[in-house]
Amino acid sequence: AQKVTQAQTEISVVEKEDVTLDCVYETRDTTYYLFWYKQPPSGELVFLIRRNSFDEQNEISGRYSWNFQKSTSSFNFTITASQVVDSAVYFCALSVRRRALTFGSGTRLQVQP
Amino acid sequence: DAGVTQSPTHLIKTRGQQVTLRCSPKSGHDTVSWYQQALGQGPQFIFQYYEEEERQRGNFPDRFSGHQFPNYSSELNVNALLLGDSALYLCASTPNVAGGPGETQYFGPGTRLLVL
Repeated sequence: AQKVTQAQTEISVVEKEDVTLDCVYETRDTTYYLFWYKQPPSGELVFLIRRNSFDEQNEISGRYSWNFQKSTSSFNFTITASQVVDSAVYFCALSVRRRALTFGSGTRLQVQP
Repeated sequence: DAGVTQSPTHLIKTRGQQVTLRCSPKSGHDTVSWYQQALGQGPQFIFQYYEEEERQRGNFPDRFSGHQFPNYSSELNVNALLLGDSALYLCASTPNVAGGPGETQYFGPGTRLLVL
């Protein structure tokens, strides 16, 4: 069985601060995919990034960056110079064999102006 | 290019009733998955359909059933509604990659179901 843990329930920062959202996962499969999704108040889950288990290269996309470490089973997400529009609930998720996504409980990020 | 669409957006039912939710996948996507998201929690997987067959099922009772049509659209049916079925129901579609489901699921806006 798969498990995803997001220990941070809620984070509040002031605009322009950097913030890191933690994600720890568990799986016995050697081939798996990790994801981050953003859920704004409207409710729709917006796909941000996908990583496969064989690619530990970190990725940067604008103000977003992701750090994948198999040794600690972590897939952390950093927002640099946060903005009010970043306020949302962020979910980390795991899938194996292209099947169901197992989600963490989410981290609510509030960016204050 | 339209994204994943779901209908209705909101629904109010009473206990014991039955409900049908609908989902149309993105163009070029042939796999549809359904999730239930209770307030303040992460989405929970209900089931996944591919080639009109249920490919995988989560830990939900038989009251939850589904169907996929030849045009890849899908329905989620819930019978004998309980108060605890109140949630946001999310549909996700996956593109076809090399003859099978791809890795990334793209979500629709969801249907908010309230059971009174």
